[in-house]
Amino acid sequence: GAGVSQSPSNKVTEKGKDVELRCDPISGHTALYWYRQSLGQGLEFLIYFQGNSAPDKSGLPSDRFSAERTGGSVSTLTIQRTQQEDSAVYLCASSLAGRRTEAFFGQGTRLTVV
Amino acid sequence: AQSVSQHNHHVILSEAASLELGCNYSYGGTVNLFWYVQYPGQHLQLLLKYFSGDPLVKGIKGFEAEFIKSKFSFNLRKPSVQWSDTAEYFCAVTPGSSASKIIFGSGTRLSIRP
Repeated sequence: GAGVSQSPSNKVTEKGKDVELRCDPISGHTALYWYRQSLGQGLEFLIYFQGNSAPDKSGLPSDRFSAERTGGSVSTLTIQRTQQEDSAVYLCASSLAGRRTEAFFGQGTRLTVV
Repeated sequence: AQSVSQHNHHVILSEAASLELGCNYSYGGTVNLFWYVQYPGQHLQLLLKYFSGDPLVKGIKGFEAEFIKSKFSFNLRKPSVQWSDTAEYFCAVTPGSSASKIIFGSGTRLSIRP
């Protein structure tokens, strides 16, 4: 597609349930990023994939969070046993390989844990 | 660890006023610097970027930013703001030496009074 696509756009889940958030990056982009944006907060880094390298998971807040990227394209962020503090907008971005590139963001998934 | 500080959390200006939003980063090596903007209801998009060369960079919609290495700063400026500039502005940094995650500041909300 023309841009980064995220699904679903909105997700309401009950506390304790697992959720999966999907990101389709721009075709040909080898770098993929996940961020979390809470109300009044900045963008909190979660995880970064770059080609076939081991992902940078240093931003994942707990072991309830995990992400994978299959075939170097689509990525799924999974949150297990959701808690109310997980409520936020989850943003995905992708970029071309290399250090001098800009990231292109999707519209985000708004997650609400009730 | 790298970090980005945006000291202005909410700025309110009248149309035609001049704008300067502060951004300071902490990282000892070469850096790539970005300003992203998020208009209400829209996804994050790039406003301007600095990789090397002329420290004064110009972006879209009349925005510019100046990289001052000695001050670890990359402040955003616009001589005369418009109501349509109402948005949230994020400063971001990546190390210049290798592809890596993007670190964002906490953002500055800009409100323009018509």
